[in-house]
Amino acid sequence: EIVLTQSPATLSLSPGERATLSCRASQSVSSYLAWYQQKPGQAPRLLIYDASNRATGIPARFSGSGSGTDFTLTISSLEPEDFAVYYCQQRSNFITFGQGTRLEIK
Amino acid sequence: EVQLVESGGGLVQPGRSLRLSCAASGFTFDDYAMHWVRQAPGKGLEWVSGISWNSGSIGYADSVKGRFTISRDNAKNSLYLQMNSLRAEDTALYYCAKGDCSSTSCPLDYWGQGTLVTVSS
Repeated sequence: EIVLTQSPATLSLSPGERATLSCRASQSVSSYLAWYQQKPGQAPRLLIYDASNRATGIPARFSGSGSGTDFTLTISSLEPEDFAVYYCQQRSNFITFGQGTRLEIK
Repeated sequence: EVQLVESGGGLVQPGRSLRLSCAASGFTFDDYAMHWVRQAPGKGLEWVSGISWNSGSIGYADSVKGRFTISRDNAKNSLYLQMNSLRAEDTALYYCAKGDCSSTSCPLDYWGQGTLVTVSS
């Protein structure tokens, strides 16, 4: 099983700041990594697939990068609605999720 | 508009069984893989199981292997999860999710709102 480790567990930032979230895989997943956003009481929403491709309707302030074992989700300038929990997910060998990063308002 | 509506959750005693269903609409169901993902209260996401478009490829998380069975009925645009020998640690909100391709290894581009399963005596 491929294990995904996200860091940090919690990130405290202010609106307008830049957010950088990390996801590390226990073995190479090539570019088969996605990012999801989940707000309280809601289902997860696909943001980024295949490491760097924005899903339909996702604002340009969200970007993804990386390949192999190290990946990054960047939110260029935080909007109030961006404060949520973010999960990475690999699809190289079935599917696994990271444990999540909580992005909270400072 | 893609819609995924889960049903079948509830309170069940340890060791008993439950069958979840997911009714899909708004897309060509038999073109896509489908998945179950669960979330225990206050915890993260855990992939449970996935099934390819034609049921030819099926996968399970180690935590449910041998106890849960995923299936689909393309004629009814429906996905199922048969859960046997339930344990307290199976307590979670169970989401039905659509894969973005026909195989079992895809991003999950649409999600239902979930059905709650509580395993307790």
